[in-house]
Amino acid sequence: GIQVEQSPPDLILQEGANSTLRCNFSDSVNNLQWFHQNPWGQLINLFYIPSGTKQNGRLSATTVATERYSLLYISSSQTTDSGVYFCAGNTGNQFYFGTGTSLTVIP
Amino acid sequence: EPEVTQTPSHQVTQMGQEVILRCVPISNHLYFYWYRQILGQKVEFLVSFYNNEISEKSEIFDDQFSVERPDGSNFTLKIRSTKLEDSAMYFCASSENRRSYTFGSGTRLTVV
Repeated sequence: GIQVEQSPPDLILQEGANSTLRCNFSDSVNNLQWFHQNPWGQLINLFYIPSGTKQNGRLSATTVATERYSLLYISSSQTTDSGVYFCAGNTGNQFYFGTGTSLTVIP
Repeated sequence: EPEVTQTPSHQVTQMGQEVILRCVPISNHLYFYWYRQILGQKVEFLVSFYNNEISEKSEIFDDQFSVERPDGSNFTLKIRSTKLEDSAMYFCASSENRRSYTFGSGTRLTVV
């Protein structure tokens, strides 16, 4: 299966700071999505981004499919941004998830 | 925005019991999935379902597990003879066209 590496594994930010999370894939994927898992374990869809750049409020994501990586930008972080961020890509029926970046935003 | 709904949000069961986890996919979606996340680990694929049959399953999805779409709206995961190691978050997902996927917020299963 496809290996998905995420970096950094852990990140602590002061409220208001910006950050970039990275996701590398070992092989090409058809689709790519970013998710936020909140402290209650719920998985929240952030972006469907097989290529290009998208923005949604303080979050934006860029995928460079030819180089098999994606970036998630968080600007002006808030404490509610805390949790684990996963990227996942699929080929055929199966999504392959990364190990996640655990983000803690402190006031 | 349409959502995938999972119930219950948390289920506690005794070891050896059977559990059924329920999901209501988005109404015009055709592809359905179950994933599992053991605490602190990656989200792992269990099974995909299309046209009323399993289209792909992982090594985890053995005879202990089964899926069903009983009534055209619900999609269920049954786990027979639960074991302690079945404790995990179980996520249902659906897709209209296998491009964008929508995940439910999960069911936390605790086997005691």
